[in-house]
Amino acid sequence: DGGITQSPKYLFRKEGQNVTLSCEQNLNHDAMYWYRQDPGQGLRLIYYSQIVNDFQKGDIAEGYSVSREKKESFPLTVTSAQKNPTAFYLCASSIGGGDTQYFGPGTRLTVL
Amino acid sequence: AQSVTQLDSQVPVFEEAPVELRCNYSSSVSVYLFWYVQYPNQGLQLLLKYLSGSTLVESINGFEAEFNKSQTSFHLRKPSVHISDTAEYFCAVSETGGFKTIFGAGTRLFVKA
Repeated sequence: DGGITQSPKYLFRKEGQNVTLSCEQNLNHDAMYWYRQDPGQGLRLIYYSQIVNDFQKGDIAEGYSVSREKKESFPLTVTSAQKNPTAFYLCASSIGGGDTQYFGPGTRLTVL
Repeated sequence: AQSVTQLDSQVPVFEEAPVELRCNYSSSVSVYLFWYVQYPNQGLQLLLKYLSGSTLVESINGFEAEFNKSQTSFHLRKPSVHISDTAEYFCAVSETGGFKTIFGAGTRLFVKA
């Protein structure tokens, strides 16, 4: 079955550590996205990628980094520069711009 | 720039009653409009979308939404809700062909027996 996988489901990190969240899709979609979800705030765009080897900052990119070396993979690194990283992180993909986005199950990151 | 306002953060309703979840948007360009649903601790799933054509769009599980350009609204309705409809619903807007989708803050629908 085609879809998006995110791992791990739960992640705990100590302050000052970098951590990488995995996102893989087998839908053959060109575009991929990372969102952060906090209670009562909806989804906020961190980074997006229109195509392999290309990505753009979203609205809250500070303290995050991404790479897009393969079409099916779009990992997100939460760096120690992110001041409040505890949140639910969602990865999504779409065929192209303006299309329906297909979401992964999410990773809940907690900083201890 | 676009923005989305979901007018109700929580909507409690009894089973088999009708429900309306309100969504207003602002944009200076033509847009696509979406409603997504999220069940606890899961990702979002598309419920329905408006791209062009008929202003009334329907989902397979009985929800419908009407695009009203003059009022810049895209309210979601269902004539009779079920317990299983309990979830959080997000309205979203994207510029036609654009890669940045703006999501509303969400409306938590709670269906009571």
